Amino acid sequence: GAVVSQHPSWVICKSGTSVKIECRSLDFQATTMFWYRQFPKQSLMLMATSNEGSKATYEQGVEKDKFLINHASLTLSTLTVTSAHPEDSSFYICSAIHEKLFFGSGTQLSVL
Amino acid sequence: DAKTTQPPSMDCAEGRAANLPCNHSTISGNEYVYWYRQIHSQGPQYIIHGLKNNETNEMASLIITEDRKSSTLILPHATLRDTAVYYCIVRDTGTASKLTFGTGTRLQVTL
Repeated sequence: GAVVSQHPSWVICKSGTSVKIECRSLDFQATTMFWYRQFPKQSLMLMATSNEGSKATYEQGVEKDKFLINHASLTLSTLTVTSAHPEDSSFYICSAIHEKLFFGSGTQLSVL
Repeated sequence: DAKTTQPPSMDCAEGRAANLPCNHSTISGNEYVYWYRQIHSQGPQYIIHGLKNNETNEMASLIITEDRKSSTLILPHATLRDTAVYYCIVRDTGTASKLTFGTGTRLQVTL
């Protein structure tokens, strides 16, 4: 199947710093990618839809100024968590469409 | 997207078939049924999908009722590595359609 690569797989940062997570489609082009977050023992929650060459579409309740999404090419979308705080600690997962949805391996973010 | 209902947890003995049910009574005609699973601390893995006919691949079989209001994912010979959370999702056929996850079924395969 198609491969979606996500990096880093885990990151620890200090409160107030920003963290960038990359999501790449390795063997296909993706005009649309999705970003999810997942808290322990909970399901995945869609945060935003990333569209190549245009602004992302955010789900209700997700702060667009805090979670910056850039989809500058057909194979790369990035999620930047700005001014991270401990409550932003979570598992972040990206996905891309290639006939069906393929998911990255996720990024565990821990904010101290 | 239509909502789905799944039992929160199930157990299955290794080597036996695991049958995971899903209700999607409000599914519309252009929505597919997708199954994904998530092993702890990993991204979801695609298993199978279908519209109205039963489907089978190397991982599993998908049985969809004639009225399409429910489906069953069958893992024919469960192994310990099949222990995971299984998500049943309905999704529009539009190419940019997102997947909305429910709470899923936590399948525990035991010796």
